[in-house]
Amino acid sequence: DQQVKQNSPSLSVQEGRISILNCDYTNSMFDYFLWYKKYPAEGPTFLISISSIKDKNEDGRFTVFLNKSAKHLSLHIVPSQPGDSAVYFCAASLIQGAQKLVFGQGTRLTINP
Amino acid sequence: GAVVSQHPSRVICKSGTSVKIECRSLDFQATTMFWYRQFPKQSLMLMATSNEGSKATYEQGVEKDKFLINHASLTLSTLTVTSAHPEDSSFYICSARDWLAGVTDTQYFGPGTRLTVL
Repeated sequence: DQQVKQNSPSLSVQEGRISILNCDYTNSMFDYFLWYKKYPAEGPTFLISISSIKDKNEDGRFTVFLNKSAKHLSLHIVPSQPGDSAVYFCAASLIQGAQKLVFGQGTRLTINP
Repeated sequence: GAVVSQHPSRVICKSGTSVKIECRSLDFQATTMFWYRQFPKQSLMLMATSNEGSKATYEQGVEKDKFLINHASLTLSTLTVTSAHPEDSSFYICSARDWLAGVTDTQYFGPGTRLTVL
């Protein structure tokens, strides 16, 4: 049972435009969400996180939005840069501090010059 | 930022042999480390949680006797794939949680180890 889903396996965006990556989850007990960026043959790199008590968290070009009623979160990257091309994973945990992360399948983002 | 290393980065072995993968937190202490496995174009699947000084906690479906985990110090955890078979070929990634990080759930990941069993 896939508790965290990223339904778009790939996304192409023009450089300078906004990239929007989506993630849905089924377990309403999840209360902490993270986005990771991964290059081939490398480990994931932490990007940004959000607690369930918030609906938005911003860090530079990256903003994560959380809609708890819809069990949906999204990552916005603006403006998109060629170096943003990578696979992006969203992850969720049941209790903040409980440590165990459940990952989505990933979305491959390609930024076109 | 926090750095986690893995060694080796790539290993090829014959079927039936055992392979040890090391995971080290280089600039912080990690009371808890995690071992993941990733198949091509799939998500990271948690295999086990490694706690310093105690037994690892394995996820459902992961064979404890096949994937031996040892977390002997606050900076080192090892995963040993015993009697490896071709179906064990995969990308193994470890992560570590900075015990001083407080309530954050941020895990720092190693670069991964590509295991190929012939």
